[in-house]
Amino acid sequence: AQKVTQAQTEISVVEKEDVTLDCVYETRDTTYYLFWYKQPPSGELVFLIRRNSFDEQNEISGRYSWNFQKSTSSFNFTITASQVVDSAVYFCALTRYYNAGGTSYGKLTFGQGTILTVHP
Amino acid sequence: GAGVSQSPSNKVTEKGKDVELRCDPISGHTALYWYRQSLGQGLEFLIYFQGNSAPDKSGLPSDRFSAERTGGSVSTLTIQRTQQEDSAVYLCASSSPRDGQALYQETQYFGPGTRLLVL
Repeated sequence: AQKVTQAQTEISVVEKEDVTLDCVYETRDTTYYLFWYKQPPSGELVFLIRRNSFDEQNEISGRYSWNFQKSTSSFNFTITASQVVDSAVYFCALTRYYNAGGTSYGKLTFGQGTILTVHP
Repeated sequence: GAGVSQSPSNKVTEKGKDVELRCDPISGHTALYWYRQSLGQGLEFLIYFQGNSAPDKSGLPSDRFSAERTGGSVSTLTIQRTQQEDSAVYLCASSSPRDGQALYQETQYFGPGTRLLVL
């Protein structure tokens, strides 16, 4: 069984502070994919990043960066110089290979989400 | 369309009524997923479609829930005899494999969801 834990339920920061969102996962599979999604007040889940289990290279995209460490089963997300528009719920998710009906597919297992509030 | 769309945005119904929720996936996406987001359970998988077939229905919570997909495109999630515990946001996602990639490797793109409130 897979499990994703986001221990931080809520985080509150002041604009321009850096903030790190933690994600720890459990899986018995050697091949899997990890994702981060952002859910603004509008409700839509917005895709941020995908990482496969064989690629531990950290990634930076603008103010966003991700730290994937297989040894600790963690996939943390950092926002540098946070802005009010970053306020949202952030979800970490995990999927592996599934097969049914002759096709492979992935169904996401989500963490409980972290509510990030950035104050001006 | 450019993204996944869902309708209605909000639905309020009385206990015992049937409801239908609609999802329009990204054009050309062969895979379609339904998820439910509730306060108690978080985000959970309901059903997966490949084309018009649903090889994985394992997340449907009861036989009051059903879904279909027609023309390899639009999907409808139907909840019969709604109960208050069905109140949640129902999210639809779609994806499609790129050349040389398996579907499970692909990103799922989500719609805005339908907020269902059962009174």
